[in-house]
Amino acid sequence: DAGVIQSPRHEVTEMGQEVTLRCKPISGHNSLFWYRQTMMRGLELLIYFNNNVPIDDSGMPEDRFSAKMPNASFSTLKIQPSEPRDSAVYFCASSPRTSGSSYEQYFGPGTRLTVT
Amino acid sequence: GENVEQHPSTLSVQEGDSAVIKCTYSDSASNYFPWYKQELGKGPQLIIDIRSNVGEKKDQRIAVTLNKTAKHFSLHITETQPEDSAVYFCAASRGVRTNAGKSTFGDGTTLTVKP
Repeated sequence: DAGVIQSPRHEVTEMGQEVTLRCKPISGHNSLFWYRQTMMRGLELLIYFNNNVPIDDSGMPEDRFSAKMPNASFSTLKIQPSEPRDSAVYFCASSPRTSGSSYEQYFGPGTRLTVT
Repeated sequence: GENVEQHPSTLSVQEGDSAVIKCTYSDSASNYFPWYKQELGKGPQLIIDIRSNVGEKKDQRIAVTLNKTAKHFSLHITETQPEDSAVYFCAASRGVRTNAGKSTFGDGTTLTVKP
């Protein structure tokens, strides 16, 4: 199993530009989570999906952030327009939903975003 | 909502010594408590977890204890090695029926094991 795949691994962009982060969850996993990690705020949950449906987006910081999951094998997190304070590492994680599962989360390698 | 507090924020031990990291949670309905290890430049990886119907779980040098009455759980690493150096996160979850497995994470503990 390839694990959770995220792309790009690094993204450098200028303020005001649109940024799209991509995630491919582990096949068969029903839940998908987007996190942001910074030194100041730690690991923050932005949004999560269950069976491709957004369940809780209360962690999305502003309307500039949006996330979609058009199918079970793909999700995107978009920032438009980007700002320097959006600089962080963004993680995608997926979780199985099987009988008796412990619902552990499997994290991707992250996308390091730098907005100048 | 759930609130998870983790202590200490940094921990330095000598190789071979034990390390203990503690977490408290606020939601009495939480029933699943995973621990994640994050190495530099990587995403968090699950190392051990415990459910609310169990008081203790061990996996080689790692153990986790849970006190549901007091709402706290701890990670114990024995015979620490330099490769144990990383950031460790605790988390608490109600499980899938209510929130699709959403976990609330602690702020992390940076563990340094000195050779």
